[in-house]
Amino acid sequence: DADVTQTPRNRITKTGKRIMLECSQTKGHDRMYWYRQDPGLGLRLIYYSFDVKDINKGEISDGYSVSRQAQAKFSLSLESAIPNQTALYFCATSDVGHLNYGYTFGSGTRLTVV
Amino acid sequence: TQLLEQSPQFLSIQEGENLTVYCNSSSVFSSLQWYRQEPGEGPVLLVTVVTGGEVKKLKRLTFQFGDARKDSSLHITAAQPGDTGLYLCAGANTDKLIFGTGTRLQVFP
Repeated sequence: DADVTQTPRNRITKTGKRIMLECSQTKGHDRMYWYRQDPGLGLRLIYYSFDVKDINKGEISDGYSVSRQAQAKFSLSLESAIPNQTALYFCATSDVGHLNYGYTFGSGTRLTVV
Repeated sequence: TQLLEQSPQFLSIQEGENLTVYCNSSSVFSSLQWYRQEPGEGPVLLVTVVTGGEVKKLKRLTFQFGDARKDSSLHITAAQPGDTGLYLCAGANTDKLIFGTGTRLQVFP
């Protein structure tokens, strides 16, 4: 099994629908992150969590919410999806020493809002 | 907002050629990481550089961190088709990574 698992891998949804993207990890890391990737813009941070009781907004949190259900689970919700939220979404985890050990990423969820 | 600009955005070369990718910022980072991402997958860490002026080699890949810790470069010698992918730099601040805009490399046989 992958260290970081994202579900679903692909999703097409309609404008205005609520959708949840899920992420689970077996790394035992406390820190988890949600990024979105758009061509030419790299990875932009949506939300991050340093432990179960800690949730922080990233640079592009508007229109998104998150829930950290357990150390291993971190979900991202789009309350009312809009077309410009069409993107590739990545979940990542890191240890406290992320400066040297880096992030471990899932394989991504490709979301299309029509 | 800290920004990391990568250049070039796209690079298409023949097998055997050398290339350099640049990662520049006006901000100082405590360390800098390079990732490679292949289609359908998430980014995978290649290297972390921590000290200003540091040079690290990973087979045919050479990574350098600028003296002022604001910029970095990735040099690939004798590129191979297996090097094809999206290269991302990421600067570390106190609690998270800031990712660059990415360089998409295509190496043709």
